[in-house]
Amino acid sequence: ETGVTQSPTHLIKTRGQQVTLRCSSQSGHNTVSWYQQALGQGPQFIFQYYREEENGRGNFPPRFSGLQFPNYSSELNVNALELDDSALYLCASSPGLEQETQYFGPGTRLLVL
Amino acid sequence: DQQVKQNSPSLSVQEGRISILNCDYTNSMFDYFLWYKKYPAEGPTFLISISSIKDKNEDGRFTVFLNKSAKHLSLHIVPSQPGDSAVYFCAAPSTSGTYKYIFGTGTRLKVLA
Repeated sequence: ETGVTQSPTHLIKTRGQQVTLRCSSQSGHNTVSWYQQALGQGPQFIFQYYREEENGRGNFPPRFSGLQFPNYSSELNVNALELDDSALYLCASSPGLEQETQYFGPGTRLLVL
Repeated sequence: DQQVKQNSPSLSVQEGRISILNCDYTNSMFDYFLWYKKYPAEGPTFLISISSIKDKNEDGRFTVFLNKSAKHLSLHIVPSQPGDSAVYFCAAPSTSGTYKYIFGTGTRLKVLA
């Protein structure tokens, strides 16, 4: 049984560019949540996908969007990158909506210059 | 919305002694409170939870205490081991109605051999 994987591990972009981050959920998990962890902060909830539909969103602007695919893997897209988007982006999968049972991936570290 | 504070950014403890990590929250909810542990270059891993109907939950060397009147959580690790050195996050349920948790900023624990 493979755990949650994320790609790429590191990424450097410039302001105004767009980025796509990917997450493969753990086998048997149909829910994926995305988090942003800025330096010195805790993970901040971006949104959650359940069976390919968005199910809950945190305080992030619309330029943060996502997708979940039939195999429950997921993408996080960020348009018009800003310097403050530099952070560790974490994906977590769970077998249902309850986040108490979520498993995190190792994250993608994004640097916006 | 819920606010979660971990006022000690770091803590150093001698091996074999007790580590006490603290967490304060602002809004009471009938739900679970969670603790996660994070090693460098890895995603957070679930450590222990406590239901809001309890005041203590124990799992091996880890015990979480919940003081609802003070809106305060604490995680006790005894005896502390060098492998416990990590960043610890507490998470409290959001009051905004979506399935999400609000994370504290974390406490970096260093257990000295």
